[in-house]
Amino acid sequence: NAGVTQTPKFQVLKTGQSMTLQCAQDMNHNSMYWYRQDPGMGLRLIYYSASEGTTDKGEVPNGYNVSRLNKREFSLRLESAAPSQTSVYFCASSPGTGSNQPQHFGDGTRLSIL
Amino acid sequence: QQPVQSPQAVILREGEDAVINCSSSKALYSVHWYRQKHGEAPVFLMILLKGGEQKGHEKISASFNEKKQQSSLYLTASQLSYSGTYFCGANQAGTALIFGKGTTLSVSS
Repeated sequence: NAGVTQTPKFQVLKTGQSMTLQCAQDMNHNSMYWYRQDPGMGLRLIYYSASEGTTDKGEVPNGYNVSRLNKREFSLRLESAAPSQTSVYFCASSPGTGSNQPQHFGDGTRLSIL
Repeated sequence: QQPVQSPQAVILREGEDAVINCSSSKALYSVHWYRQKHGEAPVFLMILLKGGEQKGHEKISASFNEKKQQSSLYLTASQLSYSGTYFCGANQAGTALIFGKGTTLSVSS
């Protein structure tokens, strides 16, 4: 079982370059999420998609855009990368956004911006 | 608003117990607990729903006090495999989770 698959696993960008992080899940989940993880800051929600066709901002959405391409795929785009966006990015999915719905995480994308 | 976890770090020897706390300034619908080992993805442990229930997973259990807007994670007779960073996720408005900053647990032999 693949679960949640993120690509790429590692990426180095120069300031100002654009980049799309890809995420796909094969669990038929309705909800998907993008987080960034920085040392000492925990997991911070960037955007989420409660269901196909909807997206909502999380705690730290500035500088990012998302697309829920279909039920399986949820991408995160950096239009003009900045060094402050150097981080580990995790995608997650859950059956729904209800309070009893566990999230399943991908292995992460380690992004460095020079 | 991020829930507050305490302590930030815990160092244990095998067999010792630990408690990790998670508190919120807003009303909670539920609390989720996850564990992340170094360089890996967070892994779901358990969910606590409104009603003050206590749940268990191996020798790890948790409680949820909705009046105090707090949850505690109890690790009993810790094993080396328990090492990692523990995150609580607060469901504050019935929608997306907000995670705390994490508690790093180190268990040595």
